Amino acid sequence: NAGVTQTPKFQVLKTGQSMTLQCAQDMNHNSMYWYRQDPGMGLRLIYYSASEGTTDKGEVPNGYNVSRLNKREFSLRLESAAPSQTSVYFCASRESGNYGYTFGSGTRLTVV
Amino acid sequence: GNSVTQMEGPVTLSEEAFLTINCTYTATGYPSLFWYVQYPGEGLQLLLKATKADDKGSNKGFEATYRKETTSFHLEKGSVQVSDSAVYFCALSPNQGGKLIFGQGTELSVKP
Repeated sequence: NAGVTQTPKFQVLKTGQSMTLQCAQDMNHNSMYWYRQDPGMGLRLIYYSASEGTTDKGEVPNGYNVSRLNKREFSLRLESAAPSQTSVYFCASRESGNYGYTFGSGTRLTVV
Repeated sequence: GNSVTQMEGPVTLSEEAFLTINCTYTATGYPSLFWYVQYPGEGLQLLLKATKADDKGSNKGFEATYRKETTSFHLEKGSVQVSDSAVYFCALSPNQGGKLIFGQGTELSVKP
C-alpha cells in the first residue's frame, strides 16, 4: 500500500544507547517531517526536510539528528537515549503545494 | 507566535449525540486550518481543512468553519457513532505549504 512506512513499531532502549528510526514514503513527496507525541502536548516537530538534501530544526531538536538519505527516506537518530525521549514518534510527508500530510503509523519508544 | 488551543478531553458522549470540539488559534497573516483524527494504534489522518476565512471544511459528517473574527475552527458532528471514538487534533499552517502546528488533542469516547 502506498504511504509512509516507519520501522520499528516498538522499541525499548536503555539510557545511553543509540538507535535510528527509519521512515520511507513511496508517494514521491518532497517534504518529510519527524514529530513526537506526548500526552497532553499534541505533536511537536523535531526536524523536517523541505526537499532532498536539506534538513532543518523544528521545535524540539535537542538530542536528535536526522538524515535525508534520498527523496524516499528520512531517518531520525538518537545518539544517547534519555528517559525524556520516551514518546511516540511519527514520520510524515507532504507533496509541495499540497497542504495535507500523510502520517506513518508511529514508533513507540521507551527509554529505561 | 503561532499556536493552537483545543478544549480538554476526554469527551464522553452517547451514540447519536451532537459533538462540538472547540479549537482556537493564534497566528499572523492568513493560516490554513485542519482537523486530523487518530484512531487507536494508528497515525493521524486528515479529516478536513479550510484555507481561508468563512470556508467550511466537511468530511464523514464532520464540519468546521474558519472564523477569522473569533480565530476559531470548531469541529462539529450532528450524530456521533461508536466508530468516531478517537483523538482529534486541530492544526494550523501559518503559510501556504508550511509546517503544521498542532493543538494538544481531544480524546472522544462514544458509548453505545
